[in-house]
Amino acid sequence: QKEVEQNSGPLSVPEGAIASLNCTYSDRGSQSFFWYRQYSGKSPELIMFIYSNGDKEDGRFTAQLNKASQYVSLLIRDSQPSDSATYLCAVYDSWGKFQFGAGTQVVVTP
Amino acid sequence: GAVVSQHPSRVICKSGTSVKIECRSLDFQATTMFWYRQFPKQSLMLMATSNEGSKATYEQGVEKDKFLINHASLTLSTLTVTSAHPEDSSFYICSASVVQETQYFGPGTRLLVL
Repeated sequence: QKEVEQNSGPLSVPEGAIASLNCTYSDRGSQSFFWYRQYSGKSPELIMFIYSNGDKEDGRFTAQLNKASQYVSLLIRDSQPSDSATYLCAVYDSWGKFQFGAGTQVVVTP
Repeated sequence: GAVVSQHPSRVICKSGTSVKIECRSLDFQATTMFWYRQFPKQSLMLMATSNEGSKATYEQGVEKDKFLINHASLTLSTLTVTSAHPEDSSFYICSASVVQETQYFGPGTRLLVL
């Protein structure tokens, strides 16, 4: 079992709709959770981090964390074509290691 | 804030030569820097973790004698690919961490070995 699991996609989202990305992790002791966006041919850029259960909002992005279910998600509201990218979920586990998921490709269609 | 630079952004070299890639944290002091490799359409693969002033910790399967990492200061880490071969051609990305384990990535270096 991989430490961090994501659906590979592609997730096709109409422009203006909400994109919902999911991520599960295996280490129950993980404390920090991150979402990165990676455009094709570019390096990842940090979108959000979340440490506590519940929701955290930043502009059009909302991260949701449920430690009991070992689940973290990212919602992108009012999706734009510029949101088309691969989204990486990352977890800082209890061993002090940073674990990345394989990423979910999002395609926003006009 | 939290800007990480890499140099060069792109390098082409002949097989058998060595290539050095620099990673700098521009506006913060990074206690830890990470080196990743990414092949086309694949996920990030962590190669090694380096802390300032100490030896790097390499991931399983990564040859430490081939991928030399030096972390001389809190703002600079270097990765040297020694005796590069075509199979070493890849996208090399560094990242630096600040408080609360957040990693900030550099723009990456695309290496092509002929």
